[in-house]
Amino acid sequence: AQKITQTQPGMFVQEKEAVTLDCTYDTSDPSYGLFWYKQPSSGEMIFLIYQGSYDQQNATEGRYSLNFQKARKSANLVISASQLGDSAMYFCAMRGFNNAGNMLTFGGGTRLMVKP
Amino acid sequence: NAGVTQTPKFQVLKTGQSMTLQCAQDMNHNSMYWYRQDPGMGLRLIYYSASEGTTDKGEVPNGYNVSRLNKREFSLRLESAAPSQTSVYFCASSAGTGYDEKLFFGSGTQLSVL
Repeated sequence: AQKITQTQPGMFVQEKEAVTLDCTYDTSDPSYGLFWYKQPSSGEMIFLIYQGSYDQQNATEGRYSLNFQKARKSANLVISASQLGDSAMYFCAMRGFNNAGNMLTFGGGTRLMVKP
Repeated sequence: NAGVTQTPKFQVLKTGQSMTLQCAQDMNHNSMYWYRQDPGMGLRLIYYSASEGTTDKGEVPNGYNVSRLNKREFSLRLESAAPSQTSVYFCASSAGTGYDEKLFFGSGTQLSVL
């Protein structure tokens, strides 16, 4: 079975600084994908970044990068130059082959608060 | 760009009432999903439809039924609502069920069962 763990329920970061949100995962699938979603206070789920288990390089999307350490089974999200609009819940998720048709499994989330 | 559209956005039910949450996507996606999100928690999969004509249980299917009406539409039904079903419900879709397929989400339905 797949499991995603986000150990930081809440974090503060100063505006313009970088922040790392932790995510560890557990799976026996050789092929899997790791995703990060942002959920602002308005409630919608916004896709941020994807990393495949076979990707050699860490994924980057603008100010977002994914620090993928396969041997450690970690997929931390790094946000550079934090902005006030980055204040939100962040969810790490994983998708791999399993009996439930590759369902996307979510961690419990981290609430990020950016201070001006 | 409509993407994934859910209705209604808010609903209040009394225990024992029934209702159907509607979801439609306009991205020609094959796969659709229903998730629930309880306060302070991540999303949990209720049911999914890998392709038109198929539906399967997810992690928390008890108390729910689904219908994949056509390729665009996937509805979630609560036959006899219970307070434990108070939650925010998200519909999502993806092109397929590959491990690299990202999900696109609707804006959510906030359901309260009294």
